[in-house]
Amino acid sequence: DPKIIQKPKYLVAVTGSEKILICEQYLGHNAMYWYRQSAKKPLEFMFSYSYQKLMDNQTASSRFQPQSSKKNHLDLQITALKPDDSATYFCASSQETKNSDYTFGSGTRLLVI
Amino acid sequence: GDSVTQTEGLVTLTEGLPVMLNCTYQTIYSNPFLFWYVQHLNESPRLLLKSFTDNKRTEHQGFHATLHKSSSSFHLQKSSAQLSDSALYYCALVSSGSWQLIFGSGTQLTVMP
Repeated sequence: DPKIIQKPKYLVAVTGSEKILICEQYLGHNAMYWYRQSAKKPLEFMFSYSYQKLMDNQTASSRFQPQSSKKNHLDLQITALKPDDSATYFCASSQETKNSDYTFGSGTRLLVI
Repeated sequence: GDSVTQTEGLVTLTEGLPVMLNCTYQTIYSNPFLFWYVQHLNESPRLLLKSFTDNKRTEHQGFHATLHKSSSSFHLQKSSAQLSDSALYYCALVSSGSWQLIFGSGTQLTVMP
């Protein structure tokens, strides 16, 4: 069974619309993250959360808003979608220790048309 | 700030030849933790190996790396490349004073028959 569940796996959205990407982890980790990967850029850090609190935000746009309703959930709301938002969005989790491995979900592939 | 540099964006070599992917890092933290993640096509990144001990070789799945604090390097090596090694490889560093991973830009390794 997958330890980190991301839904949906694929998503097609219209420019200007709003979508929510779901992430749930069952590893007992206390830290969760969002990364973005597009064809033009490498793995790009977006947000980190610890115990449901935002720790770091490297996303310039306020259109991207993480939401943590439970300790093991970290959803990503994206508003006013643009074609440049097309990418694969990975959720990850880890323990809050320096040698802790990050476990990545399978990703959500978003295409904005 | 902390950073990771992977100088080669693309590496192409013939099956059976040795692999060496370069990784250097910059941090003010005296005890960095370094990681290599591998991402095969249409998959999510997964941990390949990690180290925090100076001058100690770390091995996993035929790959090895040694953290050299004197040169701030953590190069990934393998004695003989296999076709299945074709993937995107990321070097990563735990940032100073936290547990957050900082990824390099990645090296796409392509192994030809």
